[in-house]
Formats: sequence, structure tokens, C-alpha cells
Amino acid sequence: NAGVTQTPKFQVLKTGQSMTLQCAQDMNHNSMYWYRQDPGMGLRLIYYSASEGTTDKGEVPNGYNVSRLNKREFSLRLESAAPSQTSVYFCASSEGRRSSYEQYFGPGTRLTVT
Amino acid sequence: ELKVEQNPLFLSMQEGKNYTIYCNYSTTSDRLYWYRQDPGKSLESLFVLLSNGAVKQEGRLMASLDTKARLSTLHITAAVHDLSATYFCAVDFGNEKLTFGTGTRLTIIP
Repeated sequence: NAGVTQTPKFQVLKTGQSMTLQCAQDMNHNSMYWYRQDPGMGLRLIYYSASEGTTDKGEVPNGYNVSRLNKREFSLRLESAAPSQTSVYFCASSEGRRSSYEQYFGPGTRLTVT
Repeated sequence: ELKVEQNPLFLSMQEGKNYTIYCNYSTTSDRLYWYRQDPGKSLESLFVLLSNGAVKQEGRLMASLDTKARLSTLHITAAVHDLSATYFCAVDFGNEKLTFGTGTRLTIIP
């Protein structure tokens, strides 16, 4: 099993460009999450999807959109990138049942907006 | 407000010493998770604590949960260099997601 995969690993954008970060999991998990982590900082939740067909805002949703394409895939879109969105983006998934919300993380995407 | 606080935020300790990282949270929960992050890497799961009094140990790390005090501890015994990393606790407040602490950056000095 690959676990949680993310593409791309690195990306440089110019201000105003758009892009989509892709995330997929092969653990049959119900819930998926997008976080950003700025240097020396903790994790901040951008959006999450508790189950296929639902998405909800997290702590810092402005400037982002998400799509839960199917149970496996959860994408994050930046419509008009800004330098403030320079960060490392992590996708995570969990079973999402009451038994455990333990999250499994992808390797991350390092995004620079110039 | 749902909050998770870790202390200390930074910890520099000598090899061979013992120390404890604390994770306090703001309201009732009996489910808490510890993660480790190496520089430039992703987060990996260390411990899953799912009840009051839960204790888990792996190698030189031991985690415990006291739900009445809303406190979890991560105890490091006889620290070695390869334990240098950032450690996060995360709490399930029953809202379909985890709330993460700010992290403790641990540096082990030879």
C-alpha cells in the first residue's frame, strides 16, 4: 500500500497563477484533510472532507477550494496564488469512524509563490 | 474554544537525560494522538491514546493520558540524538477532525 500520496512534490508559481494539488489514499478511509505548515509553525487546517460527497472549511480556507472527487481523492485548488500562500501543504486521511480519527499524512507539497 | 497547548515549545536537552513534554487541552476528550516530524519531512504517528489512564511505550518514549486533568505527557527516557524532532499532540474533540498543538521542537545535544 502506498498510503497517502501527493503530487506535485514541489511547485513554483507566480502571483495570480492557479494550480491544483492532488491527494490520493489507498486505505479506504472516509475522511480526508488539507493542512498548511509555515516555517517553524504548527499545522493549520484548510479544508476537510468527513465523508465522500461532503467538504467543510477549516481554520484558514480563504483563497482555496477543494473537491472530493471520490472516496480516494481529495484535491486542493488555488485559484489565484498569492505570496502569502507560500507554504508546505500536507494531505491526510483517517478512517473517520468514532473508533479512531488517527490521521495518516502524505509526504507534502512545497509551494513557493513569487 | 477548542484549544490544545503544548509546552515547552522548544526543548534542548543533553543525551542521557530524561524529560517530559506536556499537552493540555481545553475541553472533554478521551482520544489523543502523538506525532513526530523530522525536519523537512511529513508527520508520522507515534501513539494513539483512546481512554483515561492509557499508557503506551515504544523504546525511549512513553505517552500517557489523564482525561480528568485534560493532560497528556510524552516522557523521554535517556535521550539519544535520533530523538531530535518536532513532536505534536492532537486531540479529537468529537467534531470529525483533530485539533493539533503547536508542537515541541526537541534538540538532543551530545
